[in-house]
Amino acid sequence: GENVEQHPSTLSVQEGDSAVIKCTYSDSASNYFPWYKQELGKGPQLIIDIRSNVGEKKDQRIAVTLNKTAKHFSLHITETQPEDSAVYFCAASYTGANSKLTFGKGITLSVRP
Amino acid sequence: KAGVTQTPRYLIKTRGQQVTLSCSPISGHRSVSWYQQTPGQGLQFLFEYFSETQRNKGNFPGRFSGRQFSNSRSEMNVSTLELGDSALYLCASSLIPGGGEETQYFGPGTRLLVL
Repeated sequence: GENVEQHPSTLSVQEGDSAVIKCTYSDSASNYFPWYKQELGKGPQLIIDIRSNVGEKKDQRIAVTLNKTAKHFSLHITETQPEDSAVYFCAASYTGANSKLTFGKGITLSVRP
Repeated sequence: KAGVTQTPRYLIKTRGQQVTLSCSPISGHRSVSWYQQTPGQGLQFLFEYFSETQRNKGNFPGRFSGRQFSNSRSEMNVSTLELGDSALYLCASSLIPGGGEETQYFGPGTRLLVL
């Protein structure tokens, strides 16, 4: 089955700096890669996703890049703000009615004011 | 549009008891997935239901079961609780089944503590 690994497990950045979170996956059939943000006491919330027919996707301060050859994808957050502090999860899946999301173990991002 | 709701939000049980958790999906969503979240293992897939049928199942023992009703609401049950079942149980809904097909929207979770 699919295995998703996330590195590092914690990340601390200064407000205004950029943060990069990397994930690797094992199943070459995976073609859908979402990123979720989880704040304390809440469920994960989708912040951006990418499908394998594109290499990069941006949404304001957030971008995701995908390298299918190397089987890794990354989340980039620019101009970080204290409210970006949360746990971030990457996931991978293939398309199909019986597919399921496989999540990484999460990374805790702390943005220092 | 209301989001995914889960009840109860917190629950304390003792070993050997059983527990039932409830999830109401976003209106119009017919697929419901359940996940267990623990600090050591992250989010792990339990099962997915669509049109009252279990479509997919993760690697959990048979003590974990679920069902879905005709209005798409779902329940999961854990029997003979063990200490290791202490976790945050998350429900996610989507329009159609399949993790890679449509965005999954998560509820706030039910925090279960087994003593």
